[in-house]
Amino acid sequence: SQKIEQNSEALNIQEGKTATLTCNYTNYSPAYLQWYRQDPGRGPVFLLLIRENEKEKRKERLKVTFDTTLKQSLFHITASQPADSATYLCALDTPTGGGNKLTFGTGTQLKVEL
Amino acid sequence: GAVVSQHPSWVICKSGTSVKIECRSLDFQATTMFWYRQFPKQSLMLMATSNEGSKATYEQGVEKDKFLINHASLTLSTLTVTSAHPEDSSFYICSTRGPGYEKLFFGSGTQLSVL
Repeated sequence: SQKIEQNSEALNIQEGKTATLTCNYTNYSPAYLQWYRQDPGRGPVFLLLIRENEKEKRKERLKVTFDTTLKQSLFHITASQPADSATYLCALDTPTGGGNKLTFGTGTQLKVEL
Repeated sequence: GAVVSQHPSWVICKSGTSVKIECRSLDFQATTMFWYRQFPKQSLMLMATSNEGSKATYEQGVEKDKFLINHASLTLSTLTVTSAHPEDSSFYICSTRGPGYEKLFFGSGTQLSVL
């Protein structure tokens, strides 16, 4: 089965710096990979989706890369702000007999300090 | 995108009681809804897929008789935790796929505490 690995340790960075989060998977390459943000006690919120034929995707201060050879996605937040502090989850579509479902990583907690 | 409303946000109940959690799709007809459970510091684990007008599909290891799912309309799915026990205490979140059927839109979650 697909195993998704994200840094379990929290990432602390200084405001204004670029935060880079990693998502590695072990099995087949999915058709697309997604990143979500989750705040404490809340449901995740969709951020970006990148397809297997795309190398990079950008949205405002966010950038996602997808390397199917390395089986890895990197998630970057440039000019980070304290409001970016949250847990970031990567998710991969997983084919099932009745259709795809999303499998989530454990998430990486990001803390942006002043 | 789809707006998903989930209630209640939190519930505390005594062991042995049943708890119902509602998930509504406010602006999108959701033929399918997903129910997840999340323990502290852990990933979202898919419990079941709720299908409108038919039986839910449960993931391996999830007790169908304990976690009853009803999806009677295109806008409402409910999860009932029957005879809840302290080990059922967790964060339960529902979601639905948007019109593009790729990304998920989540409810705000329900924190269940069973005493």
